[in-house]
Amino acid sequence: DTAVSQTPKYLVTQMGNDKSIKCEQNLGHDTMYWYKQDSKKFLKIMFSYNNKELIINETVPNRFSPKSPDKAHLNLHINSLELGDSAVYFCASSQDWAVDGYTFGSGTRLTVV
Amino acid sequence: QKEVEQNSGPLSVPEGAIASLNCTYSDRGSQSFFWYRQYSGKSPELIMSIYSNGDKEDGRFTAQLNKASQYVSLLIRDSQPSDSATYLCAGVKAAGNKLTFGGGTRVLVKP
Repeated sequence: DTAVSQTPKYLVTQMGNDKSIKCEQNLGHDTMYWYKQDSKKFLKIMFSYNNKELIINETVPNRFSPKSPDKAHLNLHINSLELGDSAVYFCASSQDWAVDGYTFGSGTRLTVV
Repeated sequence: QKEVEQNSGPLSVPEGAIASLNCTYSDRGSQSFFWYRQYSGKSPELIMSIYSNGDKEDGRFTAQLNKASQYVSLLIRDSQPSDSATYLCAGVKAAGNKLTFGGGTRVLVKP
């Protein structure tokens, strides 16, 4: 199936731990994104990569580090997790310039306890 | 002021009626707009895109764009209980790839 897939779907972890979320797309898109959706459903961009190059880096704590080994993969590593990091993290992909919008992955619900 | 604003709702609509959702944006550089539907616990799904002033129809959905007034709207005709979801409006600048989302409008269609 053509899609954007991310793993894991759920992640429950303790404060201070380090965790990673993985994302892969087989749509042939050049650009991938990480968005955070808070409890009020507000979707906010964190990072974007175009063909392995970081092109958007919003005001995000440097505990968050994205990595793109190739244009089909974008991972998110989070160090020293805090309670406020609890949210749903969505990976997405698009053609250049997002003329057709994004295709989203199924999301990772991160709960920090 | 948020870049893209929506009424959070809930917008309660009887089954078979028209649901009307509105979205305003502040950045005049925004050129293309999208409506996403998000069911509870699921990811956003693109339902409409609109790039020029006027109306665009796709099945029961009609998107409207007015760049002079900086608003985008979505009409859902013959609303069904399965249309109950949160609808997210998003805009992107020309030659850009950062979608800026509104906070979403929750729609409840009652049988």
